Amino acid sequence: QSVLTQPPSVSGAPGQRVTISCTGSSSNIGAGYDVHWYQQLPGTAPKLLIYNNNNRPSGVPDRFSGSKSDTSASLAITGLQAEDEADYYCQSYDNSLSGSRVFGGGTKLTVL
Amino acid sequence: QITLKEPGPTLVKPTQTLTLTCTFSGFSFSSSSGVGVGWIRQPPGKALEWLALIYWDGDKRYSPSLKSRLTITKDTSKDQVVLTMTNMDPVDTATYYCAHGTEGYSYMDVWGKGTMVTVSS
Repeated sequence: QSVLTQPPSVSGAPGQRVTISCTGSSSNIGAGYDVHWYQQLPGTAPKLLIYNNNNRPSGVPDRFSGSKSDTSASLAITGLQAEDEADYYCQSYDNSLSGSRVFGGGTKLTVL
Repeated sequence: QITLKEPGPTLVKPTQTLTLTCTFSGFSFSSSSGVGVGWIRQPPGKALEWLALIYWDGDKRYSPSLKSRLTITKDTSKDQVVLTMTNMDPVDTATYYCAHGTEGYSYMDVWGKGTMVTVSS
């Protein structure tokens, strides 16, 4: 059972917009800690996609955006493309777990 | 350019101790204050699980659920970070990743390709 909760799967047609939610608690997201998102393409290592809630590393298209509110966060992908099909993970920090980083359970995005 | 590399696939027997060495380049613990290297694992078909992190100054963080079994150390002269996990069990079968982080931030911005660890008798 992951500390952060994500939907197991989402889907969308090319060109559409999809969102992936990440729900935490008062000891992580709700405590004000930043949320980060990773994209894991099939058979590859995770790649940092969004950091500190809504910042994109160099090279990440602006089709990807993040937001955070209260005890949850969201990743939005607009103009969906076939190459976006991947697993997406949210991550934060939890002050009830001795300085531990925590991940969500992951969301499989299927491009129809 | 920062890169991190884990060793090749490993097979360990139940109850044995796993030792993984992450070799990195593009930064150094001796010259880059604030840097950290962490370990994350992913069982086949399952989610990521954060394991441990060590900073440039030797400060360490561990997953509370695995703390009793984990030790993370660094060799500054070799640009390496070593993770040991005792009393291995088949449920520890996973891909193990090392990744670069920065003190004050909780994200890991550069990841190695990972290495498969199989626990089987």
